Amino acid sequence: AQSVTQLGSHVSVSEGALVLLRCNYSSSVPPYLFWYVQYPNQGLQLLLKYTTGATLVKGINGFEAEFKKSETSFHLTKPSAHMSDAAEYFCAVSRGTALIFGKGTTLSVSS
Amino acid sequence: GAVVSQHPSRVICKSGTSVKIECRSLDFQATTMFWYRQFPKKSLMLMATSNEGSKATYEQGVEKDKFLINHASLTLSTLTVTSAHPEDSSFYICSARPDEMNTEAFFGQGTRLTVV
Repeated sequence: AQSVTQLGSHVSVSEGALVLLRCNYSSSVPPYLFWYVQYPNQGLQLLLKYTTGATLVKGINGFEAEFKKSETSFHLTKPSAHMSDAAEYFCAVSRGTALIFGKGTTLSVSS
Repeated sequence: GAVVSQHPSRVICKSGTSVKIECRSLDFQATTMFWYRQFPKKSLMLMATSNEGSKATYEQGVEKDKFLINHASLTLSTLTVTSAHPEDSSFYICSARPDEMNTEAFFGQGTRLTVV
């Protein structure tokens, strides 16, 4: 069965610091992987996705993620955090046409 | 990107009443839509997959008689919370995927349901 595990429910960084949000997946088939961001009381916005091809995926707002099959990981990074990046981040894996989400990681950014 | 509209954004209802939430794909057709429930500080839990013209597929542990899903057209799915109780209070989010798997899902803005 497809699932994702997000390591760390809460990550705190300083403005300008590297952001690293961890996601490991489990899938019985080649996975399609996604990262979404959610702001309070809002729906989800797609940051980036991996389907096939290049393993380093670039998304919006300066985020990127690398698919590592050997490590079953799809960690999200951003070189320099901005205050506006503070939000909830979800990693997800496709299960058929549905998405299965991790528990989420809250990113806090301090000045 | 494609737009999914969810209505209402907030609703307060009394215990024992039913509440209907609508999910519309505004600029694409979606044979399949999805309903999620999000608890405070928790992940999105897939409740059911809504299939146009046929019965919804519910995830294990989700009461199909409590959460009625109707997908009457290629652009509209509805979730009805029947005989609502305070424990049904939550944030409900729908999503729709236009076609093949490598297309991202588009999400509605969510509905905050409070049962008093």
